[in-house]
Amino acid sequence: DTGVSQDPRHKITKRGQNVTFRCDPISEHNRLYWYRQTLGQGPEFLTYFQNEAQLEKSRLLSDRFSAERPKGSFSTLEIQRTEQGDSAMYLCASRTGTGGTETQYFGPGTRLLVL
Amino acid sequence: AQSVTQLGSHVSVSEGALVLLRCNYSSSVPPYLFWYVQYPNQRLQLLLKYTSAATLVKGINGFEAEFKKSETSFHLTKPSAHMSDAAEYFCAVSASNSGGYQKVTFGTGTKLQVIP
Repeated sequence: DTGVSQDPRHKITKRGQNVTFRCDPISEHNRLYWYRQTLGQGPEFLTYFQNEAQLEKSRLLSDRFSAERPKGSFSTLEIQRTEQGDSAMYLCASRTGTGGTETQYFGPGTRLLVL
Repeated sequence: AQSVTQLGSHVSVSEGALVLLRCNYSSSVPPYLFWYVQYPNQRLQLLLKYTSAATLVKGINGFEAEFKKSETSFHLTKPSAHMSDAAEYFCAVSASNSGGYQKVTFGTGTKLQVIP
């Protein structure tokens, strides 16, 4: 499968714990996005990487959230001191190109439940 | 700033009937527009996109959408619904932000139910 992959697919954690998610984009894609999706909502932008550089972060991304993309390959999203409000589906997408017309390819998502 | 409004979180149509899913956008710069679809237990995938080449855009599975600048709309249509069209559909707008990169904003989605 050469599509975008995410790991784990599901995560249940207790409030206050730290969690880390991984995204492996399509290999030739230089741009990588993280989104959060809650029930009844569309994907909400969290952050964006061009190669290894994190170029934009949403105001949704509090200090408890951090994302990295070392060497411009896979990316990780870490949530520290999780809260119940962090429960959501976390989506990763990647694309190539420099313009705005290229398609984003989505991963299957990581569903997080904070108890 | 940019935004997308999808009218109707749930739409039901009979099999064989016209499908019309509405999307209105707001953008301070010329936008690119997308429709994504999420079938049950599957990942989001592109249905079609408007990139300023032609205002009527054809996508997969018989869907099409028309970009109407005067109405700031990008409604999705299909002449005859099929049971397999049951899914959630998301409209999205992409435009350059102040940082010079293309930010994508999604609507809240419309769940399409097809009644046999």
